Amino acid sequence: AQTVTQSQPEMSVQEAETVTLSCTYDTSESDYYLFWYKQPPSRQMILVIRQEAYKQQNATENRFSVNFQKAAKSFSLKISDSQLGDAAMYFCAYRSDLTQGGSEKLVFGKGTKLTVNP
Amino acid sequence: DTGVSQDPRHKITKRGQNVTFRCDPISEHNRLYWYRQTLGQGPEFLTYFQNEAQLEKSRLLSDRFSAERPKGSFSTLEIQRTEQGDSAMYLCASSLGLLHEQYFGPGTRLTVT
Repeated sequence: AQTVTQSQPEMSVQEAETVTLSCTYDTSESDYYLFWYKQPPSRQMILVIRQEAYKQQNATENRFSVNFQKAAKSFSLKISDSQLGDAAMYFCAYRSDLTQGGSEKLVFGKGTKLTVNP
Repeated sequence: DTGVSQDPRHKITKRGQNVTFRCDPISEHNRLYWYRQTLGQGPEFLTYFQNEAQLEKSRLLSDRFSAERPKGSFSTLEIQRTEQGDSAMYLCASSLGLLHEQYFGPGTRLTVT
């Protein structure tokens, strides 16, 4: 079974600074997808960024980028120019490669609470 | 497109009572997922549907839990004989297909007293 570990329960960053959230995972599969989801207080979870394991290039979405290290099974999220609206719980998630018959479920880590200080 | 909606948003019930939650996915999304999130934890998968077919169930889904999606549109999750350990946020998500992202609803927060 796949597992996802987020070792930082809480992180804080100053507005306009850069912060990196860590995530490691364990799997025996060679193809899979990794995600970062954001859950603002009392609001629904939204997808921030996704990474396909077969792609060597790290995904980027505006101020959000990832550092995907497949051999190390590491998938960190970097938020640049942090904004007050970035404050939220951030969850790292894993999903099997569905084209090879894997499960469609997302496997989540426990999350990292990000505080952005003005 | 109004997003995934869930009803009710909050439910307080006494131990031993039955509760039912409803999820309305984004229209034309053929996949619908249920997750449970307890305090301080990430969401945990419960079950999912492709159209009206329930294709996978987690071991977390005990025999007190049942989910349906009778016409391949909205889904219901029923918990019978609720226990205090059932207190959690129940999240619903939907997706358009195999390679598409899951869109989450706001969740139903259940408190069992």
